Amino acid sequence: SQKIEQNSEALNIQEGKTATLTCNYTNYSPAYLQWYRQDPGRGPVFLLLIRENEKEKRKERLKVTFDTTLKQSLFHITASQPADSATYLCAIPPEGGGADGLTFGKGTHLIIQP
Amino acid sequence: NAGVTQTPKFQVLKTGQSMTLQCAQDMNHEYMSWYRQDPGMGLRLIHYSVGAGITDQGEVPNGYNVSRSTTEDFPLRLLSAAPSQTSVYFCASSAGTHSYEQYFGPGTRLTVT
Repeated sequence: SQKIEQNSEALNIQEGKTATLTCNYTNYSPAYLQWYRQDPGRGPVFLLLIRENEKEKRKERLKVTFDTTLKQSLFHITASQPADSATYLCAIPPEGGGADGLTFGKGTHLIIQP
Repeated sequence: NAGVTQTPKFQVLKTGQSMTLQCAQDMNHEYMSWYRQDPGMGLRLIHYSVGAGITDQGEVPNGYNVSRSTTEDFPLRLLSAAPSQTSVYFCASSAGTHSYEQYFGPGTRLTVT
């Protein structure tokens, strides 16, 4: 089965700086990788999906990279704001792709200091 | 659209009791899943369904049953609750092919004493 590692330590970033979160996986190379945001007491909310043949994906202040050689995805938030404070989860599908149940990392708690 | 709805929001059970967590979606999604989230463990897949009448086990299925008689509903049954099932439960749905984004419900916080 796939194992996903995300930095379990909270990440403290000053407002206006770029926050970079890491997601490493250990086994098969996934067909795609997703990033979610989760606020306390709420369900995760989808942010971005990047496919195995894509190096980079952007959406407004968010950027995701996918390096299948390093088995790693990086998630960047530029010009960070206190409202970006949340837990960010990366998720990978089963081998072969599909939508039948994702494997999630434990998440990284991001704190943007004003 | 209401999206994915879950009931109840909170529940306290005694060991050995049974209950059903309800999940419904109004987006006509084929794929639905149940996850549990525990501190330090992240989200873990319990059961999933790729369409009405089709279900399969995830990473942590023991102690849970599911069925999918309609596209809209995917209830999760605890047959004999145990303290180890104390957790927050999330239901999610996805359109599947070409759109793998998962939509999550608000969660059910379950405590088993």
